[in-house]
Amino acid sequence: RKEVEQDPGPFNVPEGATVAFNCTYSNSASQSFFWYRQDCRKEPKLLMSVYSSGNEDGRFTAQLNRASQYISLLIRDSKLSDSATYLCVVNQAGTALIFGKGTTLSVSS
Amino acid sequence: NAGVTQTPKFQVLKTGQSMTLQCAQDMNHNSMYWYRQDPGMGLRLIYYSASEGTTDKGEVPNGYNVSRLNKREFSLRLESAAPSQTSVYFCASSARQNTGELFFGEGSRLTVL
Repeated sequence: RKEVEQDPGPFNVPEGATVAFNCTYSNSASQSFFWYRQDCRKEPKLLMSVYSSGNEDGRFTAQLNRASQYISLLIRDSKLSDSATYLCVVNQAGTALIFGKGTTLSVSS
Repeated sequence: NAGVTQTPKFQVLKTGQSMTLQCAQDMNHNSMYWYRQDPGMGLRLIYYSASEGTTDKGEVPNGYNVSRLNKREFSLRLESAAPSQTSVYFCASSARQNTGELFFGEGSRLTVL
């Protein structure tokens, strides 16, 4: 089983749609969690951290369920500019970050 | 605002040739990393340096060596390139090892023929 698993997609949605991405991780000792965004042929960039209580940043909401070892990202009112690959990232103590393979989102007009 | 700078951005090698990818950061970060990204495989950690003077293997270190030259610079060397090392290589840095915010360079696209 891979350490961090994501549905690769692609998710094809119209502008204004709400879309959710899921991610599962295998190591229960994982301590912190993040979502990164990667545009085509560009470097990954941090989108947001994921806190135990859930957190929101504008149209983006991240949630963590430690019992189920599950992370989610919800994007409301999708924009064309949201088209990208979203990477689920997990940090375990004493190691570097572990990246999922990413979920591709395509928003169309 | 240079951030993390990688060179070269593109390189074509023949099997067996050697080369070094250079990486420098100007954010006074302690930790630096080398990842490779392949289609369908995601980002995989090759080597990292938690702080100046230390380096550690990541998930896929075979065929690579690294040098943390100073706090700013972390280089990745391919001693004898193989077609399996065709990939996009990303250097990244962070303030400290266990922080979630990595700052990535723009990537180096390497093709080994």
